[in-house]
Amino acid sequence: RKEVEQDPGPFNVPEGATVAFNCTYSNSASQSFFWYRQDCRKEPKLLMSVYSSGNEDGRFTAQLNRASQYISLLIRDSKLSDSATYLCVVNEGSASKIIFGSGTRLSIRP
Amino acid sequence: DAGVIQSPRHEVTEMGQEVTLRCKPISGHNSLFWYRQTMMRGLELLIYFNNNVPIDDSGMPEDRFSAKMPNASFSTLKIQPSEPRDSAVYFCASSWDNQETQYFGPGTRLLVL
Repeated sequence: RKEVEQDPGPFNVPEGATVAFNCTYSNSASQSFFWYRQDCRKEPKLLMSVYSSGNEDGRFTAQLNRASQYISLLIRDSKLSDSATYLCVVNEGSASKIIFGSGTRLSIRP
Repeated sequence: DAGVIQSPRHEVTEMGQEVTLRCKPISGHNSLFWYRQTMMRGLELLIYFNNNVPIDDSGMPEDRFSAKMPNASFSTLKIQPSEPRDSAVYFCASSWDNQETQYFGPGTRLLVL
């Protein structure tokens, strides 16, 4: 089993739709969690951290479920500019144990 | 403010040649990471430095790969000799603390023929 697993997609949704994807992790001792966004042929960039209480940043909401060992990302009112690959990142407790998922591709169509 | 700077942005070389990738982290950051990204394997951590000292190089594929960080503002990743399977995008990232948000450079696209 992979340490961090994501559905590779692609998720193809119309503009304005709500889309959500999950990421599961195997190490129950994992300490911190992030979502990064990577545009085509660009570097990954931090989208948001994921806190135990859940957090929201505009149209984006991230949730953590420690019992079931997954994190989620919800995007409301999707825009064409949201098209990208979303990488789930799990920190297992040290810098060398920061694990990136393979990413979920999202494509927003007009 | 300048972000993480990497050079070259693109490199095409022939099998057996030496390749040197360069990275300048964000000023003030004390942790530096080298990653490799391929379609098959995704983003893999190769090596991590903290305060210029290599802390974990368990991700370095083999002895052909070496990395140095002679000072806080410069790091190199060297492949000698290069092989076609080394073709990938190599990212450098830096952070203030070793577990905080990482800021990635634009990457070096390496093609080994």
